[in-house]
Amino acid sequence: DAGITQSPRHKVTETGTPVTLRCHQTENHRYMYWYRQDPGHGLRLIHYSYGVKDTDKGEVSDGYSVSRSKTEDFLLTLESATSSQTSVYFCAYSKGTSSPDTQYFGPGTRLTVL
Amino acid sequence: QQQVKQSPQSLIVQKGGISIINCAYENTAFDYFPWYQQFPGKGPALLIAIRPDVSEKKEGRFTISFNKSAKQFSLHIMDSQPGDSATYFCAASIHGGGGNKLTFGTGTQLKVEL
Repeated sequence: DAGITQSPRHKVTETGTPVTLRCHQTENHRYMYWYRQDPGHGLRLIHYSYGVKDTDKGEVSDGYSVSRSKTEDFLLTLESATSSQTSVYFCAYSKGTSSPDTQYFGPGTRLTVL
Repeated sequence: QQQVKQSPQSLIVQKGGISIINCAYENTAFDYFPWYQQFPGKGPALLIAIRPDVSEKKEGRFTISFNKSAKQFSLHIMDSQPGDSATYFCAASIHGGGGNKLTFGTGTQLKVEL
């Protein structure tokens, strides 16, 4: 699956609890992205990274933080989960070696906040 | 604010027919327009993409038509097959290089019937 994994694949949590989702890519590509997918909204960019410790906000970043301490790992944290953050979360990477630069997506994490 | 509008939301086509999905964008700075295909339980995968310097791109049964003056682009699937049943997303970004931030349409659920 394009050399990218996400964990956990499913998670149920309660409002107010912290949640961390992990994205791991196996080929040390420079760029990584976190999206959320909701019915009627398509995919929306939450945060992205252009290198270790280099991150920037996307369209829907409120309530989310990210960290990238190693090239292969990109973590998404919900500091205090809310029901509005119930969604399917997708991580992606791109190689940055050509233009256009294709984004390759992971299998997704389904998060339910009760 | 939806910068990329996609229609229809769902589409049913008979096997062998032509599936057509339309997208319209607002930001004239967009210069990279990919289409992604997503099967249930999977992440999106790049299907075909176009730059605005060409009006059409064809790859097998899949064709993108691009109308820069109308700020519209569409995906045509010729000889549609049951295996094409999936959700299709159009997207756009300001540049197609590394770190490009994709803005997605809301998706079209295609069902190809026998």
